[in-house]
Amino acid sequence: EDQVTQSPEALRLQEGESSSLNCSYTVSGLRGLFWYRQDPGKGPEFLFTLYSAGEEKEKERLKATLTKKESFLHITAPKPEDSATYLCAVQGARRDDKIIFGKGTRLHILP
Amino acid sequence: EAQVTQNPRYLITVTGKKLTVTCSQNMNHEYMSWYRQDPGLGLRQIYYSMNVEVTDKGDVPEGYKVSRKEKRNFPLILESPSPNQTSLYFCASSQSRVTGELFFGEGSRLTVL
Repeated sequence: EDQVTQSPEALRLQEGESSSLNCSYTVSGLRGLFWYRQDPGKGPEFLFTLYSAGEEKEKERLKATLTKKESFLHITAPKPEDSATYLCAVQGARRDDKIIFGKGTRLHILP
Repeated sequence: EAQVTQNPRYLITVTGKKLTVTCSQNMNHEYMSWYRQDPGLGLRQIYYSMNVEVTDKGDVPEGYKVSRKEKRNFPLILESPSPNQTSLYFCASSQSRVTGELFFGEGSRLTVL
């Protein structure tokens, strides 16, 4: 069964303290792995798509990387406005494969 | 501005009173989907639609209906709501099913008493 597990569930960092969020996945052939950001009371907002192991994508202080079993979202020198829940999702390569979401990591950056 | 619009944003209702949550997108997307988000359970897909008049069940379809008569609209219908349908609901759309780049609405918080 396809699965997505995110860790940690919650993370508190001081402003400027870099860290990484983890997304472990099990899927029958990966079509894509996706990262979303969700602010309280809002819908998820798309950040990145990664398609194959070794691929990396960057946006401001965020960098997403992908291996055959997991993805990391690295956050460098975070600011309070980076506080949000970060969701990971995967889609398998079979024709009818759904997009499966992890439960997310709640990130809180302290000023 | 590209957007997915849901209404209502907030609703309190009683058990058994039929309700509809509307969803409209202005991006000419083929694929649309409904999710519910519950604490500890994450986002779970209710129904999806690959195009007009094409709909299919997601992971948690019981108690819900959908229709896709026009490309831009994908309403979610609760024929006889029950308290276990109290949740935060999101509509999402994308260019096609093969892309995971979903555009989400702002959410509809539903409470069933």
